[in-house]
Amino acid sequence: AQSVTQLGSHVSVSEGALVLLRCNYSSSVPPYLFWYVQYPNQGLQLLLKYTTGATLVKGINGFEAEFKKSETSFHLTKPSAHMSDAAEYFCAVRGMTTDSWGKLQFGAGTQVVVTP
Amino acid sequence: DGGITQSPKYLFRKEGQNVTLSCEQNLNHDAMYWYRQDPGQGLRLIYYSQIVNDFQKGDIAEGYSVSREKKESFPLTVTSAQKNPTAFYLCASSMKGLGTGELFFGEGSRLTVL
Repeated sequence: AQSVTQLGSHVSVSEGALVLLRCNYSSSVPPYLFWYVQYPNQGLQLLLKYTTGATLVKGINGFEAEFKKSETSFHLTKPSAHMSDAAEYFCAVRGMTTDSWGKLQFGAGTQVVVTP
Repeated sequence: DGGITQSPKYLFRKEGQNVTLSCEQNLNHDAMYWYRQDPGQGLRLIYYSQIVNDFQKGDIAEGYSVSREKKESFPLTVTSAQKNPTAFYLCASSMKGLGTGELFFGEGSRLTVL
């Protein structure tokens, strides 16, 4: 079965500094991977996704993520944090087995705080 | 605009009462899902449906029920059998089959049991 682990439940970053959110996955087959963002009391919005092809994926709001098969990682980065990046971020992997096909397995989430 | 509409956004319930959360989508998606969100636990799948008149249990289905009589609608009933129903509930949809599995989410419904 597929699973994801997000390292760090809370991350504090200064405005203008690098944002790095870590995600490691477990999958017996090539995975489909996603990063979502959630603002308070709202639904989740897709930031970016990796399915096949280029391992560096660019998303919305200046975020990007790199799929590294050898490290089973899909870390999310943004070169310069903005106050509006304060939110919770979720990494997810798509089920690829017969009984999990199409279902997303989410990590526990990382809360990002941006300080002036 | 296409999207997913959940209602109500906030709901209060007394213990022992059933409550139904509405989810409607106009994206023409085949698959629909209900997730429960608790602080520090991410999202956990309650039920999902890939076609009208068919649905499957997710990881935490006990105390919940669903129906899928129309492609656009996937209501969730939180029954009195659910021991800890206070949570944020999210409805989502996706294209079925060989799509990438990307989910589109509604704005959520926050249920509080008094």
